[in-house]
Amino acid sequence: KAGVTQTPRYLIKTRGQQVTLSCSPISGHRSVSWYQQTPGQGLQFLFEYFSETQRNKGNFPGRFSGRQFSNSRSEMNVSTLELGDSALYLCASSSGRGVARGTDTQYFGPGTRLTVL
Amino acid sequence: KQEVTQIPAALSVPEGENLVLNCSFTDSAIYNLQWFRQDPGKGLTSLLLIQSSQREQTSGRLNASLDKSSGRSTLYIAASQPGDSATYLCAGAGRRALTFGSGTRLQVQP
Repeated sequence: KAGVTQTPRYLIKTRGQQVTLSCSPISGHRSVSWYQQTPGQGLQFLFEYFSETQRNKGNFPGRFSGRQFSNSRSEMNVSTLELGDSALYLCASSSGRGVARGTDTQYFGPGTRLTVL
Repeated sequence: KQEVTQIPAALSVPEGENLVLNCSFTDSAIYNLQWFRQDPGKGLTSLLLIQSSQREQTSGRLNASLDKSSGRSTLYIAASQPGDSATYLCAGAGRRALTFGSGTRLQVQP
């Protein structure tokens, strides 16, 4: 089975622009989560989707949004980019109904490295 | 709010040594505890998942334990190899999301 794929792998944007990142989960997985990783804050939870519904959201401003399609692929969007949004954005998928289901291993993609200039 | 701490932040050992990485968490109401490996600039690779009802899990040279009452988990790596060099992260699964520690950066010297 192919793993979690994320596109693009690298992005360079300028402040004020917006960006869309894409994540394709492992085939058959319906739960997709997004995390932001920075040297200062480590890995922080953004949001989780299951069957096209956002189940949970982390403590990020409304500039960060996401969605999930019927084929379980997910996108996240960041509007009005700030320098502090520079980070590695990681997507994870699992076969169960979400993070808090005991047995669900989270499988991570390689990430999208976003640099905001 | 769950907080996860990993000690030490960095570790350098000679090849062949057995080692233990530590992870502590403040909220014992976790559904599971997962250990991941991250190579520089890459995503996370799942190593082991311990359900809240379990005490340990083993995979090859890796053994992870979980003590919910004390809020601790350890990852034991036997007979370390240079290929084990990476950052190791633990994460507790709460009701909403995984909460990650800041990681232990391991360097195994040949």
